[in-house]
Amino acid sequence: EAGVVQSPRYKIIEKKQPVAFWCNPISGHNTLYWYRQNLGQGPELLIRYENEEAVDDSQLPKDRFSAERLKGVDSTLKIQPAELGDSAVYLCASSSGTRGTNEKLFFGSGTQLSVL
Amino acid sequence: SQQGEEDPQALSIQEGENATMNCSYKTSINNLQWYRQNSGRGLVHLILIRSNEREKHSGRLRVTLDTSKKSSSLLITASRAADTASYFCATSSAGNKLTFGGGTRVLVKP
Repeated sequence: EAGVVQSPRYKIIEKKQPVAFWCNPISGHNTLYWYRQNLGQGPELLIRYENEEAVDDSQLPKDRFSAERLKGVDSTLKIQPAELGDSAVYLCASSSGTRGTNEKLFFGSGTQLSVL
Repeated sequence: SQQGEEDPQALSIQEGENATMNCSYKTSINNLQWYRQNSGRGLVHLILIRSNEREKHSGRLRVTLDTSKKSSSLLITASRAADTASYFCATSSAGNKLTFGGGTRVLVKP
């Protein structure tokens, strides 16, 4: 069974440019998460989806970040425009937990973003 | 914001020794999970302990949970060079938030 797939693996852009990350969760997993991980720190949640509904986006900087999961399967996270401080690893994770539970997460390998 | 705080931040041991790391948190939890992250990779789930459990084992891993002290520990016995990684605790609390700590970087020297 394929794991969580993310692309691209690396992305280098200049500040003020847009960037998008894609994630395909494990088949059948209802819940999808986007985390941001700064160097030497733990992941911080950006947004969590239950199927196509964003149930927690309180940590998503909505002035420049947006996300979508239109059919409740794969998801895209976008930054426009990117700032120097956005340089980080963007991790996607999925789980089969339903609303009311929080079981183990399966993570993709992440997209390492460098903003110059 | 990160609820869990791991201690120590870094740990260096010889192969064959045991490695112990601790996690403290602030609010009530439903469960606590430990993850491992190898350099440049995503996180891998290791073990989940529920709030009504006190100890759990998985292979060479032993996790304890003390809800009165709001703390957990992860013990890796008979460490191997392949155990070199960062280890994160994550707490699941109200609203199904899964919040990660800052991690413990473990180096196992051959």
